[in-house]
Amino acid sequence: QSALTQPASVSGSPGQSITISCTGTSSDVGSYNLVSWYQQHPGKAPKLMIYEGSKRPSGVSNRFSGSKSGNTASLTISGLQAEDEADYYCCSYAGSSTFDVVFGGGTKLTVL
Amino acid sequence: QVQLQESGPGLVKPSETLSLTCAVSGYSISSGYYWGWIRQPPGKGLEWIGSIYHSGSTYYNPSLKSRVTISVDTSKNQFSLKLSSVTAADTAVYYCARLFGLRASYFDYWGQGTLVTVSS
Repeated sequence: QSALTQPASVSGSPGQSITISCTGTSSDVGSYNLVSWYQQHPGKAPKLMIYEGSKRPSGVSNRFSGSKSGNTASLTISGLQAEDEADYYCCSYAGSSTFDVVFGGGTKLTVL
Repeated sequence: QVQLQESGPGLVKPSETLSLTCAVSGYSISSGYYWGWIRQPPGKGLEWIGSIYHSGSTYYNPSLKSRVTISVDTSKNQFSLKLSSVTAADTAVYYCARLFGLRASYFDYWGQGTLVTVSS
């Protein structure tokens, strides 16, 4: 079980859109549309932003969207705002007969 | 509203066993769902440690499996983590969370986290 691969950092200006990639394998991201994304501000617990690939929990802005192509999932944030600056982690279901999950290494989003 | 709260010693000596408990309120563990532990070393990313079903079935990260035990106490509405033979590499903020959805694939409620330092 290897960690999913995310870029270490991305940046964008207010109002712009950015995309964070999350690359796994055919055993996790590629086999299931069960990727979730979490936002984490410094010193805080992670917050669920996207689940089951592209679904948004109640209360999460529609500026956040998720997608998948092959072994790579993506989180897109449109209309960047200063409060979006945070660390973002992807997570995928990784078990065919178990309930294992695996996280990505995390991406630091800087709003310029 | 589901709430989770971690508790346990903030300092553990090398080679000893780390023990943490997660108290759940606003939901009865015996009603279902999976419950998990996640950790985050200082300045690093999240790592799934393991999960437990309300019935007691467990699933562990293969890299930690030999040292991890997760248990559930439905009478106290809490679940626990034990990590044996700890080293400095186990220093981290430990989070408990509820798993939800298809194949219990995502964490919808999280505790605030508790820092555990491994040091003599």
